[in-house]
Amino acid sequence: EDKVVQSPLSLVVHEGDTVTLNCSYEVTNFRSLLWYKQEKKAPTFLFMLTSSGIEKKSGRLSSILDKKELFSILNITATQTGDSAVYLCAVDGSGGSNYKLTFGKGTLLTVNP
Amino acid sequence: NAGVMQNPRHLVRRRGQEARLRCSPMKGHSHVYWYRQLPEEGLKFMVYLQKENIIDESGMPKERFSAEFPKEGPSILRIQQVVRGDSAAYFCASSPRNPAGELFFGEGSRLTVL
Repeated sequence: EDKVVQSPLSLVVHEGDTVTLNCSYEVTNFRSLLWYKQEKKAPTFLFMLTSSGIEKKSGRLSSILDKKELFSILNITATQTGDSAVYLCAVDGSGGSNYKLTFGKGTLLTVNP
Repeated sequence: NAGVMQNPRHLVRRRGQEARLRCSPMKGHSHVYWYRQLPEEGLKFMVYLQKENIIDESGMPKERFSAEFPKEGPSILRIQQVVRGDSAAYFCASSPRNPAGELFFGEGSRLTVL
């Protein structure tokens, strides 16, 4: 069975701090890894990673994938209170359809003013 | 452009009753996916539907659960004879095509079974 493990499960920081969220996975038929942000509502898409070593960046958020070591990290620099959310990591083990995702339990990030 | 709409947002049922959860995909999206999030667990894939077709139901429990996406109207996830273990958040997602790429999620329906 495919498995995704995220760490830490929760994290509390102050505004301006930089955080790194981790995601490791075991998938038999890996195609891609995705990050979502969930703010008590619908999970919203952040990144999709398919190739090792290529950083994806969007504003203060960035992510990279290591397919050899089977993990990904999500970095958030200069955190703001609006970054407070659950960050979900998911892998597509269905051979590329990107719908049969296996999710981790998420990392709850709290950014205090 | 309205997002994925799910209703009800909260549903309370007693053991043995039926639960019906509805999902209207984003405009222009014809692919619908249901996921379930049990307490303290990650989201788990249940079923993938297109209009009038079930494409992949490999994540659906074998009994009591069914899903449909009729030609007209929303997709419906139906749970018959609910048990306490069905208490969870049920998320619907949609995409304009498959391979899906980014999935667009709804806000979820939280089912509580008393």
